[in-house]
Amino acid sequence: EAGVAQSPRYKIIEKRQSVAFWCNPISGHATLYWYQQILGQGPKLLIQFQNNGVVDDSQLPKDRFSAERLKGVDSTLKIQPAKLEDSAVYLCASSFLRAGHGYTFGSGTRLTVV
Amino acid sequence: DQQVKQNSPSLSVQEGRISILNCDYTNSMFDYFLWYKKYPAEGPTFLISISSIKDKNEDGRFTVFLNKSAKHLSLHIVPSQPGDSAVYFCAAAGSARQLTFGSGTQLTVLP
Repeated sequence: EAGVAQSPRYKIIEKRQSVAFWCNPISGHATLYWYQQILGQGPKLLIQFQNNGVVDDSQLPKDRFSAERLKGVDSTLKIQPAKLEDSAVYLCASSFLRAGHGYTFGSGTRLTVV
Repeated sequence: DQQVKQNSPSLSVQEGRISILNCDYTNSMFDYFLWYKKYPAEGPTFLISISSIKDKNEDGRFTVFLNKSAKHLSLHIVPSQPGDSAVYFCAAAGSARQLTFGSGTQLTVLP
């Protein structure tokens, strides 16, 4: 089966600019996650979707981050305006159910804010 | 507040020997534990998992041990191979099935 697709792979922006990341999960996977991985740290959950509804966005900095999953398939994560500390790899993952077992991750988008 | 901790940022072992990666957790509500492997410029890939009702799970060269009383788990790789060189993340999940990750251990297997 095709994996989780993410784009772009790399993005460099100046602080205060905006940026958007796209994710297409594995077909049929109802649950979609966005994680932020800062260099030297483990991935940290930003938001979890079940179909097109938000299950948990408690760790999403909502003053600058937003995410949507229209039609319950692909998803976009936006940062506006970006700060230097947003430099990280943004990982999308999907799973068949809210099972946790064996999330499938995409390759991520490496964001550098200068 | 780190609920999942990997205290060794790096580990080097000789090819053919055993690699032991350790992980500690603090949240007693976690009931499912996983190990992920990550190569540079790739997303983490699932390696092996264990439920809290077990104390050991084995898959080929990989074995995960869980000590619930100590809130500790470990991943054993025997024998270690150069292709095993990667960052290994320990992760834990509770009833919401959201994964909380440790900070990772860079394993280097020397030929």
